[in-house]
Amino acid sequence: DAGVIQSPRHEVTEMGQEVTLRCKPISGHDYLFWYRQTMMRGLELLIYFNNNVPIDDSGMPEDRFSAKMPNASFSTLKIQPSEPRDSAVYFCASSSGQGNEQYFGPGTRLTVT
Amino acid sequence: AQSVTQLDSHVSVSEGTPVLLRCNYSSSYSPSLFWYVQHPNKGLQLLLKYTSAATLVKGINGFEAEFKKSETSFHLTKPSAHMSDAAEYFCVVRAGNMLTFGGGTRLMVKP
Repeated sequence: DAGVIQSPRHEVTEMGQEVTLRCKPISGHDYLFWYRQTMMRGLELLIYFNNNVPIDDSGMPEDRFSAKMPNASFSTLKIQPSEPRDSAVYFCASSSGQGNEQYFGPGTRLTVT
Repeated sequence: AQSVTQLDSHVSVSEGTPVLLRCNYSSSYSPSLFWYVQHPNKGLQLLLKYTSAATLVKGINGFEAEFKKSETSFHLTKPSAHMSDAAEYFCVVRAGNMLTFGGGTRLMVKP
């Protein structure tokens, strides 16, 4: 298996623009997680899905952030409009079953200027 | 609620010497604990996990960790550091599907 796939690996955009980050989980995994990593706050869980349904989005910072999972093999995290403070590395992870090991993707490094 | 404290933000060792990365946790439940490693510009990789079986857990690349309930600790050790061990290490506590990460310890290995 190719593991969790994220695209793009790097994104540089201007403040106010819409940003869409993409994730393909490991085939057969029924949980998908979005995390954000910054120097100031470390790694934070933003939202997670089970069987394509959002279960807990309490970590989503504000309404500018939205996440969808239209099918079992694809999820997006969208920021609209983007702000410089959104600059971070965004990780997607997936797991099989409740509480099992999470496998992380390589991350998307977002820079908002 | 659960929390994780990694006691050292940076640890520097010489190649061939032992590694100790310290972690203390707080959890309302019997915890599941993990150590993840992150190499520069890479994703996180699971090193080892404790899920209430043996208290001494062996992981990949010669790492191991001991769960000590009385001390609420889960320190990561390796007998002999290798240059390739230089990375950032995260101690993690899990409740249900929620992972809570420690602040990370950057391990530097000197030749």
